[in-house]
Amino acid sequence: KAGVTQTPRYLIKTRGQQVTLSCSPISGHRSVSWYQQTPGQGLQFLFEYFSETQRNKGNFPGRFSGRQFSNSRSEMNVSTLELGDSALYLCASSLAGSGNIQYFGAGTRLSVL
Amino acid sequence: EDQVTQSPEALRLQEGESSSLNCSYTVSGLRGLFWYRQDPGKGPEFLFTLYSAGEEKEKERLKATLTKKESFLHITAPKPEDSATYLCAVRVNSGYALNFGKGTSLLVTP
Repeated sequence: KAGVTQTPRYLIKTRGQQVTLSCSPISGHRSVSWYQQTPGQGLQFLFEYFSETQRNKGNFPGRFSGRQFSNSRSEMNVSTLELGDSALYLCASSLAGSGNIQYFGAGTRLSVL
Repeated sequence: EDQVTQSPEALRLQEGESSSLNCSYTVSGLRGLFWYRQDPGKGPEFLFTLYSAGEEKEKERLKATLTKKESFLHITAPKPEDSATYLCAVRVNSGYALNFGKGTSLLVTP
């Protein structure tokens, strides 16, 4: 069974641009969560989607947004990029009733210049 | 607000030297405490879930325990391949998302 797939793996952008990251969850998983990981702040929760609805949201500015499609694939978008947005962005999916374990992808490394 | 604090930040062990990592948490109603392992350049890999005080789980050289305020990850006779960052997390509100601690970076030398 394929794991969580994130694309692209690496991305370089400049300040002020916007970026879209993609996540394909494990087949059958309807919950997708996004996290930002930086050396200083560690792993921080961005938002969670379940059946195309945002269920939880972390403490990030409105420049960070996401959505989930009917096939459970998810995208997150960051507008007006800032240098501080450079991070590893991780996606995780969960299967309801399985102990609610989150399975992570390998992440997208975003560098903002 | 839910908080998760891990200590130490970094730990260096000789191969075979057992030790414990600590995760203290403050939550309003624990709905699961999770341990993950993360290798450089990879996403976190699930290790254990604990739900109630007194619960213990084991996997190879790792054993996780839970009290009402803390969880410990005991590493018995570690090997160099156990070198990684170990992350502790608790569930966020409803849903499946997690609130993570900053992790313990473990280095096991031969």
